[in-house]
Amino acid sequence: AQSVTQLGSHVSVSEGALVLLRCNYSSSVPPYLFWYVQYPNQGLQLLLKYTTGATLVKGINGFEAEFKKSETSFHLTKPSAHMSDAAEYFCACQGAQKLVFGQGTRLTINP
Amino acid sequence: EAGVAQSPRYKIIEKRQSVAFWCNPISGHATLYWYQQILGQGPKLLIQFQNNGVVDDSQLPKDRFSAERLKGVDSTLKIQPAKLEDSAVYLCASSPRAGASRYEQFFGPGTRLTVL
Repeated sequence: AQSVTQLGSHVSVSEGALVLLRCNYSSSVPPYLFWYVQYPNQGLQLLLKYTTGATLVKGINGFEAEFKKSETSFHLTKPSAHMSDAAEYFCACQGAQKLVFGQGTRLTINP
Repeated sequence: EAGVAQSPRYKIIEKRQSVAFWCNPISGHATLYWYQQILGQGPKLLIQFQNNGVVDDSQLPKDRFSAERLKGVDSTLKIQPAKLEDSAVYLCASSPRAGASRYEQFFGPGTRLTVL
């Protein structure tokens, strides 16, 4: 069975600073990996996904993530934070079975 | 294209009452999922349908939860009777039949259930 661990339930950065949200996964088969964002009182919106091929994937709103098999990681980054990035972020892993989510990281942006 | 629709958006009930949620997936999507998201946690899969058949319901508390997807389109999730610990957001998602995007799930806005 697969599992996902997001390091840090709450991350706070200043507007314009680098955003780094950490995600490690465990899967018995080559995984498909996803990052979703959830704004208050809304459903989850896909930011980006890794399936096969290029390990650096670019998503919407300037976010990107790099799949590192040796480190079993799929960290999410954005070079310059914007106030509108404040939300809950979920990393998810699709292995042999169902899609499994991490517990989420709440991103706060300080003006 | 229209997204995943869910209703109601909010529901407040007393414990031991019954409640039902409705989901209409994106047109043409064969797979439909129901998730439970407790405050401060990631979504947890309750049940997965492929067309109108159940693929995975291993985490569905079958003594009180039931779900159906008649005709392989929209779906209902029912809780009877509700407990306090059922307070959560219930998310519906759907994914395409096949192809590279078959593992990408599209989520509805969710139904926030409060059990008093």
